[in-house]
Amino acid sequence: NAGVTQTPKFQVLKTGQSMTLQCAQDMNHNSMYWYRQDPGMGLRLIYYSASEGTTDKGEVPNGYNVSRLNKREFSLRLESAAPSQTSVYFCASSEGGNPPGTEAFFGQGTRLTVV
Amino acid sequence: RKEVEQDPGPFNVPEGATVAFNCTYSNSASQSFFWYRQDCRKEPKLLMSVYSSGNEDGRFTAQLNRASQYISLLIRDSKLSDSATYLCVVTGGFEFYFGSGTKLNVKP
Repeated sequence: NAGVTQTPKFQVLKTGQSMTLQCAQDMNHNSMYWYRQDPGMGLRLIYYSASEGTTDKGEVPNGYNVSRLNKREFSLRLESAAPSQTSVYFCASSEGGNPPGTEAFFGQGTRLTVV
Repeated sequence: RKEVEQDPGPFNVPEGATVAFNCTYSNSASQSFFWYRQDCRKEPKLLMSVYSSGNEDGRFTAQLNRASQYISLLIRDSKLSDSATYLCVVTGGFEFYFGSGTKLNVKP
């Protein structure tokens, strides 16, 4: 059972570089999420996609863009990386709903360092 | 104001101890509640859902108090393997809101 798969697991970027974090789920979930986790800050929502074809901003969207490519895939793009974007990024998925009735499942995370 | 507040700990307890965590949430319309466990440098994983009537899973008991807007987690007979960070989670709109987590260290 793959569940939620994120790539890459680790990345070092120079300030100003761009990159895309990939996420795919095989659970036929409707909703997908991107979070960042910083020490002492907990998980903060960057963007989410409630269903295929929709995306919405979360708590900390500045500096990021997302694409819900299809029901399985949800990518996160950093157009011009900044040191403040050094963090651990988690993708998650859930069956969805307003509010979600069941739990979120997480990928293994991407450790991003911007120098 | 944060949606979900938790005591960050750490809670340092000996093996076999009983330990309780609480969290409070701000949105009275929240309908789903969860406890997640996160090991160091790993992703969060569901520990248990929290139901209005309370629920138990082995050594773990979760309670929900809607009137006071808090959720609790009780761990009995702590094991070394229980050492982790415990995240309180509530839902609102299409979103999950995570507390910052409470760190538990179980000592031999």
